[in-house]
Amino acid sequence: DVKVTQSSRYLVKRTGEKVFLECVQDMDHENMFWYRQDPGLGLRLIYFSYDVKMKEKGDIPEGYSVSREKKERFSLILESASTNQTSMYLCASGAPIKNIQYFGAGTRLSVL
Amino acid sequence: ELKVEQNPLFLSMQEGKNYTIYCNYSTTSDRLYWYRQDPGKSLESLFVLLSNGAVKQEGRLMASLDTKARLSTLHITAAVHDLSATYFCAVDLRQGAQKLVFGQGTRLTINP
Repeated sequence: DVKVTQSSRYLVKRTGEKVFLECVQDMDHENMFWYRQDPGLGLRLIYFSYDVKMKEKGDIPEGYSVSREKKERFSLILESASTNQTSMYLCASGAPIKNIQYFGAGTRLSVL
Repeated sequence: ELKVEQNPLFLSMQEGKNYTIYCNYSTTSDRLYWYRQDPGKSLESLFVLLSNGAVKQEGRLMASLDTKARLSTLHITAAVHDLSATYFCAVDLRQGAQKLVFGQGTRLTINP
């Protein structure tokens, strides 16, 4: 069974804090993704990565950065958290030939 | 810019009835995905449709893809309560690269 593990289910942070969201997958997938999910907007892609140390901006990268130092781990960084970054964050991984993305359980982040 | 629109966004139906969720998208793609999300849970892959005319069925759910019309449908037959969830379609913007654009989601409630 593919497992995508996000380090926290719930996080509460203050405005201006630096926030790290961690994601680990155990299936040796090349591709990893970070989305945010907001009611009525579906999922929107923040960043993705096709390989170690490679990253590409998604549709809403502003205010975020990512790090992929190892194949199994993909981190999302909020350099200076703001209230409009309060959301559900979902990590996913996938192998190109399998055509499926596998999602983690999500991290609900509240920025106060 | 690719837009993916689902219709309806909310659907309340009775057990035993049939209904269809529609997913329209605005640019050429021949890869479309359907996901299910239960409340408080992450996304689970339902169907992967990889060519024009593709049809996939699993239990009471059937998905189809018409790439010429840029339309996918998710048909529910003789609905049961367990199918209550939010359903998302997603289109692969970059063939095979898994760069997905999601619809807003359809929240389906099935009443006994």
